[in-house]
Amino acid sequence: DGGITQSPKYLFRKEGQNVTLSCEQNLNHDAMYWYRQDPGQGLRLIYYSQIVNDFQKGDIAEGYSVSREKKESFPLTVTSAQKNPTAFYLCASSITWGSYEQYFGPGTRLTVT
Amino acid sequence: DAKTTQPPSMDCAEGRAANLPCNHSTISGNEYVYWYRQIHSQGPQYIIHGLKNNETNEMASLIITEDRKSSTLILPHATLRDTAVYYCIDSRGLTSGSRLTFGEGTQLTVNP
Repeated sequence: DGGITQSPKYLFRKEGQNVTLSCEQNLNHDAMYWYRQDPGQGLRLIYYSQIVNDFQKGDIAEGYSVSREKKESFPLTVTSAQKNPTAFYLCASSITWGSYEQYFGPGTRLTVT
Repeated sequence: DAKTTQPPSMDCAEGRAANLPCNHSTISGNEYVYWYRQIHSQGPQYIIHGLKNNETNEMASLIITEDRKSSTLILPHATLRDTAVYYCIDSRGLTSGSRLTFGEGTQLTVNP
């Protein structure tokens, strides 16, 4: 089955620690995205990648970093510089950048205490 | 920002059709209407999109009015698993950076 996987589903970290969230897709999509969703809120774009070896900051990139060394993988690192890291993190992909037909993974719920 | 309006909640009996309305009165000629849904604690799921013709896929049908100011998403035989928040959005063109922005959406509850 084609799709997007994110792991782990739940993640707990102590304040001050960096943590990396995994996102893998086997849809052969060029574009990938990271969104953050807070309780009762909509989606906010953190980073996006139009194609392998490229990525761009979204609306709330401070305190986050990404890489796109392989077409299938777009990991997100939440650094200790992110002031409010506790959130639901969603990875998505689309055939090309610019498409609103995006396919999402199941999400990772990160709790930092 | 989303420029669509939807009712905050709707109920539907299991097995019946669920008809979810959306107003997008400021939509321009080249903007598509997209529908997504989000089941509690899961990632959003793309459902369908259209420009001006009615569209149908394995999940749903999309009926767009002739003036394109509103549309209706139809789930022909709703099941309990269709309980979710449904979002109607309009695209802002390819220059917007593909940012998906959801409004308040409609909480659809399918009852047994």
